[in-house]
Amino acid sequence: QITLKESGPTLVKPTQTLTLTCTFSGFSLSTGGVGVGWIRQPPGKALEWLGVIYWDNDKRYSPSLKSRLTITKDTSKNQVVLTLTNMDPVDTATYYCAHSSTSMDPTYAFDIWGQGTMVTVSS
Amino acid sequence: DIQVTQSPSSLSASVGDRVTITCRASQSIARYLSWYQQKPGKAPNLLIYAASTLQSGVPARFSGSGSGTDFTLTISSLQPEDFATYYCQQSYRDPRTFGQGTKVEIK
Repeated sequence: QITLKESGPTLVKPTQTLTLTCTFSGFSLSTGGVGVGWIRQPPGKALEWLGVIYWDNDKRYSPSLKSRLTITKDTSKNQVVLTLTNMDPVDTATYYCAHSSTSMDPTYAFDIWGQGTMVTVSS
Repeated sequence: DIQVTQSPSSLSASVGDRVTITCRASQSIARYLSWYQQKPGKAPNLLIYAASTLQSGVPARFSGSGSGTDFTLTISSLQPEDFATYYCQQSYRDPRTFGQGTKVEIK
């Protein structure tokens, strides 16, 4: 059974750096075709794709956040870390991590999601 | 970026109704389109991937169709638990954009 869970601060100040950890179980991020993505959702708004990291350490980022966003993995700890610098109130959102794999689906849809963690940016 | 436009943004329907939601991409995305259901306070749940493949465990009343730029999610007979917001997402090219969502409400 695949599970993912996000953890990190619930409140950050403007200009600070956000670090969120996605801890997962039930799969390995060293297995070919596997990816873990990050998606966020401001209150009452739509989902926004942030980026993804793959088993081979290939990383893809949203162009709108590319200068501020870093995604890394620690395969031995079954964790993926999101770092977003220079936080602003518009970054207030629920942040989700999610699993994808080409073992069943060649299109890399997100088949399992974490519960999400709400991050508020305010001084 | 590939823009993904859903319509309608909201709809009201009754239990038992057939419901159709449309997603249009700004350029061809082949069949790289998935559909998610999200209930308030919960994470999205994958319903359909590769435009028409039903995710394991998802009821057969959900179906997807389309390719290229035009896609459809159909709920053949709306059930009480289907009242939620639905999102499409393209995974053809980065950034893997989501539609703006369609809220399905009780009539």
